[in-house]
Amino acid sequence: DSGVTQTPKHLITATGQRVTLRCSPRSGDLSVYWYQQSLDQGLQFLIQYYNGEERAKGNILERFSAQQFPDLHSELNLSSLELGDSALYFCASSVGLLGVAGNTIYFGEGSWLTVV
Amino acid sequence: EDQVTQSPEALRLQEGESSSLNCSYTVSGLRGLFWYRQDPGKGPEFLFTLYSAGEEKEKERLKATLTKKESFLHITAPKPEDSATYLCAVQGHDYKLSFGAGTTVTVRA
Repeated sequence: DSGVTQTPKHLITATGQRVTLRCSPRSGDLSVYWYQQSLDQGLQFLIQYYNGEERAKGNILERFSAQQFPDLHSELNLSSLELGDSALYFCASSVGLLGVAGNTIYFGEGSWLTVV
Repeated sequence: EDQVTQSPEALRLQEGESSSLNCSYTVSGLRGLFWYRQDPGKGPEFLFTLYSAGEEKEKERLKATLTKKESFLHITAPKPEDSATYLCAVQGHDYKLSFGAGTTVTVRA
């Protein structure tokens, strides 16, 4: 158990709908990351927050947004869903910013999103 | 843009048959190279971080090494429980972590 908690574990929704994925980082971790993993694209970095502020942005669609709250939990909002958004969405956390010796990111178990 | 290429895509081993996985990378200002293990439907599990060329780290039957252009994950005398997808990732100057597509290892008893 990495200590990163994601809900829901599974979600099935229709095209055009909006969903929210929730993540609680490990105790003491200030950074939260969101990744998307699909069968054909591997793990793709979406966005990172550090202590409530957006720190880095990857290939995140405009239909997607995220935020990190004062209690450090984070939410990833996916709207106007398309079939191609079906994927496993991972949240990860780290104490601080990567690149500092001993600072590693730990992943949650993911949220399976199926868009039908 | 940072790039990570892992080879081979898949590796089938007999129990006890040692082998190596390769991770080639191009990155602007390497801050760290990470190895993860991922089981089907699960989140990646952290294995190692390497920070500079020449560095080596070991954990049970796994040993990771780093050069300026690539990293190797050596699996010594693997067991069936070592079957998983092994992911390599690099972090560049912008703090983004870029993953390779992974190598799926299957160890047969």
